[in-house]
Amino acid sequence: AQSVTQLDSQVPVFEEAPVELRCNYSSSVSVYLFWYVQYPNQGLQLLLKYLSGSTLVKGINGFEAEFNKSQTSFHLRKPSVHISDTAEYFCAVSDKRYGNKLVFGAGTILRVKS
Amino acid sequence: GAGVSQSPRYKVAKRGQDVALRCDPISGHVSLFWYQQALGQGPEFLTYFQNEAQLDKSGLPSDRFFAERPEGSVSTLKIQRTQQEDSAVYLCASSLGAGYTQYFGPGTRLTVL
Repeated sequence: AQSVTQLDSQVPVFEEAPVELRCNYSSSVSVYLFWYVQYPNQGLQLLLKYLSGSTLVKGINGFEAEFNKSQTSFHLRKPSVHISDTAEYFCAVSDKRYGNKLVFGAGTILRVKS
Repeated sequence: GAGVSQSPRYKVAKRGQDVALRCDPISGHVSLFWYQQALGQGPEFLTYFQNEAQLDKSGLPSDRFFAERPEGSVSTLKIQRTQQEDSAVYLCASSLGAGYTQYFGPGTRLTVL
């Protein structure tokens, strides 16, 4: 079965600093990878996704992620964060062999400080 | 257009009561998913529908959990004889079909006392 590990439960960072949220997944030959963001008392919103093709994926709000097959990683980055980026971020994987269900990591809370 | 909606947004139940949680997917979305999100954790898959067919229910934690989507649109997740460990946020998601992005509703927060 697939599994996703988000290595940091919380990441504090100052406004306008760069940030990287780490995600590793268990190996599979046919995976799709996703990052979702969850603001307090709201549902999950898709930030970006990797299905195939270019390993560098750009998403909304200035976020990007790089798919690294050899390291089974899909880290999320932003060069300069804003206070409004404070939220919880979830990495998820789906495996075509097991239908389309998403397997999520435990989440990383990004706290942006002024 | 409208997104995925869920009702109620909050539900408090006494232990042993039955509850029903509703999900209205985006119009035209054939795939519908239910996830359970316990406090401080990531969402966990419960069950999946393609139109009215329940294709995967491997994530349902016990036979007290039951989901249906009789006309291939609205879905209901029912929990019988609720227990305290059922307290969680229940998320519904829909998509155009296999391999398409899942769009999530705001969730129903269930608290079992």
